[in-house]
Amino acid sequence: DGGITQSPKYLFRKEGQNVTLSCEQNLNHDAMYWYRQDPGQGLRLIYYSQIVNDFQKGDIAEGYSVSREKKESFPLTVTSAQKNPTAFYLCASSLIRGGVQETQYFGPGTRLLVL
Amino acid sequence: DAKTTQPPSMDCAEGRAANLPCNHSTISGNEYVYWYRQIHSQGPQYIIHGLKNNETNEMASLIITEDRKSSTLILPHATLRDTAVYYCIVRPSTGTASKLTFGTGTRLQVTL
Repeated sequence: DGGITQSPKYLFRKEGQNVTLSCEQNLNHDAMYWYRQDPGQGLRLIYYSQIVNDFQKGDIAEGYSVSREKKESFPLTVTSAQKNPTAFYLCASSLIRGGVQETQYFGPGTRLLVL
Repeated sequence: DAKTTQPPSMDCAEGRAANLPCNHSTISGNEYVYWYRQIHSQGPQYIIHGLKNNETNEMASLIITEDRKSSTLILPHATLRDTAVYYCIVRPSTGTASKLTFGTGTRLQVTL
């Protein structure tokens, strides 16, 4: 079954704790993205990666870190430096063909709650 | 990226066509119009996109005006499962990676 998977569906974080959100895709997509969504608002880009071992900051990268060691995986770590981490986190991926990004497809999301 | 304007909410009776408008008056010649929808607590679902011509797929039709300053997403026979927030987005057709700028969208409520 092809697609983008995110785990866990719900995640609880204690104060001062780092947590890692998983994103895996078996679509052979080149680019992967992390967005954050707050209640009643649109999505904001955290980080994105076009190729393995390379990634760029988005609009709200502070307090987050990523890695791209494999094409199919793009985990996001929410560090203790992120002071307001409670949100819905969405991973997306897309092909890059002929140097052009194609349609982004989204995973089901992870809801992070701070205890 | 060009900004889009959508009505905050719309209602549609089940079985009728849902016509969701979007204004993108500052769109550039190389920008696509994309539509996604998001059902509560799920990831956004891609619906359709177009550049200049009208487009149709198994989910919906996209009508883009000749001047490209506005578009309409048409769900031909809305069902209760189409209740969601619908986002109209413009995005460059060139470049290797770009963010999608989601606004607040249109909340479509399909009723019996």
